[in-house]
Amino acid sequence: RKEVEQDPGPFNVPEGATVAFNCTYSNSASQSFFWYRQDCRKEPKLLMSVYSSGNEDGRFTAQLNRASQYISLLIRDSKLSDSATYLCVVNAGNMLTFGGGTRLMVKP
Amino acid sequence: DVKVTQSSRYLVKRTGEKVFLECVQDMDHENMFWYRQDPGLGLRLIYFSYDVKMKEKGDIPEGYSVSREKKERFSLILESASTNQTSMYLCASSLWAQGGEQFFGPGTRLTVL
Repeated sequence: RKEVEQDPGPFNVPEGATVAFNCTYSNSASQSFFWYRQDCRKEPKLLMSVYSSGNEDGRFTAQLNRASQYISLLIRDSKLSDSATYLCVVNAGNMLTFGGGTRLMVKP
Repeated sequence: DVKVTQSSRYLVKRTGEKVFLECVQDMDHENMFWYRQDPGLGLRLIYFSYDVKMKEKGDIPEGYSVSREKKERFSLILESASTNQTSMYLCASSLWAQGGEQFFGPGTRLTVL
């Protein structure tokens, strides 16, 4: 079983839609959680950290459920520019473990 | 802005060649990392370093070695390149090893023929 699992997608949604991604992790000792965004042929960049209480950044909301060991990312009012791969990232100890990514394609 | 640079965007080598991939960061970060990224497998950690001359194996160190002689520079070495090392190689740096944001370089697409 992979340490961090994501549905690879692609998720094809129209502009303005709300879309949600989930991610599960296997290490219950994980301490920090993140969502990174990776555009085609580009490097990953931090989108947002995920806190136990949940957090929001504009159209993006991240939630953490420690009991069920999953993390979610909600994107409201999708824009064409949101098209990218979203990587779920979990930290336990010194290293980050990356999920395989979920590809989002927002269409006009 | 944090800047992480990698020596080449594209590299083509032959089987058995020794390959050096260089990474430089300009933010005085303690920690540096080398990953490879393959379709369907995501990013996998090869090696990381939390200080000059220090190194730790990641998940897939076999066939690779690293060197960190200066804080800002972290090199990945393929002693004898093989075709299964064809991949995208990404370098990253972070201020904190635990829970800290990692900043990535643009990547090197290595093809081994």
